[in-house]
Amino acid sequence: NAGVMQNPRHLVRRRGQEARLRCSPMKGHSHVYWYRQLPEEGLKFMVYLQKENIIDESGMPKERFSAEFPKEGPSILRIQQVVRGDSAAYFCASSPQTGNQPQHFGDGTRLSIL
Amino acid sequence: RKEVEQDPGPFNVPEGATVAFNCTYSNSASQSFFWYRQDCRKEPKLLMSVYSSGNEDGRFTAQLNRASQYISLLIRDSKLSDSATYLCVGWLSGAGSYQLTFGKGTKLSVIP
Repeated sequence: NAGVMQNPRHLVRRRGQEARLRCSPMKGHSHVYWYRQLPEEGLKFMVYLQKENIIDESGMPKERFSAEFPKEGPSILRIQQVVRGDSAAYFCASSPQTGNQPQHFGDGTRLSIL
Repeated sequence: RKEVEQDPGPFNVPEGATVAFNCTYSNSASQSFFWYRQDCRKEPKLLMSVYSSGNEDGRFTAQLNRASQYISLLIRDSKLSDSATYLCVGWLSGAGSYQLTFGKGTKLSVIP
């Protein structure tokens, strides 16, 4: 399966812990995007990355959230000191290039905060 | 401001019916649009790309009206398996950058 791979599928954390969500783009794709979806809500853009570069992080909360896409390995979305409001589905998407191209989504990570 | 707006529905239609969704966008400089389908608790899946005036794929037809800034999706001969949320998505420009912007989705239920 050469699709976008996200793991874990489900993640449970207690308030104050850290959550790490991983995403490997489709083969041949160099652009990665993270989205958050709250129950009954639409997808909200968080961040757009290329290898070793954050291109657009205008949708990222200013505190506790960070993202990276290292030269080797998957993209990581990191949430520090999680709170109940962080509970959501986090989707990663990739595309071969930006502009005019559709994005292909991974299965998502469902984050639950106890 | 980058926005894509859709009627949230729900649209409840009988099998075999024809149903149409509309979607409006805020920025006339937008490049291209897509319709995605999202099933409950699943990831969005690309249904159709709309680069020019429209696109047709089997029972699905998408049309783009740049003058009025809206995109439509027409589904003919609805099947039970068409039940899902349909997301209107556009590459919208603003403040010097483009972002793929999602509408909140239109929920469709096809009833036997």
